[in-house]
Amino acid sequence: GAVVSQHPSWVICKSGTSVKIECRSLDFQATTMFWYRQFPKQSLMLMATSNEGSKATYEQGVEKDKFLINHASLTLSTLTVTSAHPEDSSFYICSARDDSGVVDTQYFGPGTRLTVL
Amino acid sequence: GENVEQHPSTLSVQEGDSAVIKCTYSDSASNYFPWYKQELGKGPQLIIDIRSNVGEKKDQRIAVTLNKTAKHFSLHITETQPEDSAVYFCAASRYSSASKIIFGSGTRLSIRP
Repeated sequence: GAVVSQHPSWVICKSGTSVKIECRSLDFQATTMFWYRQFPKQSLMLMATSNEGSKATYEQGVEKDKFLINHASLTLSTLTVTSAHPEDSSFYICSARDDSGVVDTQYFGPGTRLTVL
Repeated sequence: GENVEQHPSTLSVQEGDSAVIKCTYSDSASNYFPWYKQELGKGPQLIIDIRSNVGEKKDQRIAVTLNKTAKHFSLHITETQPEDSAVYFCAASRYSSASKIIFGSGTRLSIRP
């Protein structure tokens, strides 16, 4: 199946710094990518929908100025957590939508674990 | 808003027995229902999905059923094996250009040897 990668797989940063997470679709083009957040032993919560060449659509309660999303190409979306704080520590997962075939499917990345000290 | 409820939250079955996980959804416009398996520290992996024009789908030991009238769908795993131990998520989505997926709360499945 299609492959989606994330980089880095884990990151530890100091409070107040910014962290950028990359999401790439490796063998297909993705006009739409999604960013999720998952706390321990909880479900995935959609943060925002990333659209290539346009602004991201954020879910209610997600601060767009804190979680900056850029989808500059058909294979890359980035999530930047600005001025990170310990409460931002979480597992961040992206997915990419492959609508090139008969079936429209989302493929998930392996996730990035962010720890803010 | 859209909501997907999933039960049970934890499930322990003897190896070789069957496991069933049930979900209900609230958005009547949902017509795509994927199931994901997530192992510790990894992203969710699609294991099977079903669309609203189908009532049942099977792939080896895994089957899904959908009752669109009742807004219920279920995952059935037969002849369970130790490697089936993981967290399973059901989800629902409208088959649209946005394809936003709403996840259930997850079921932690443990297979007893």
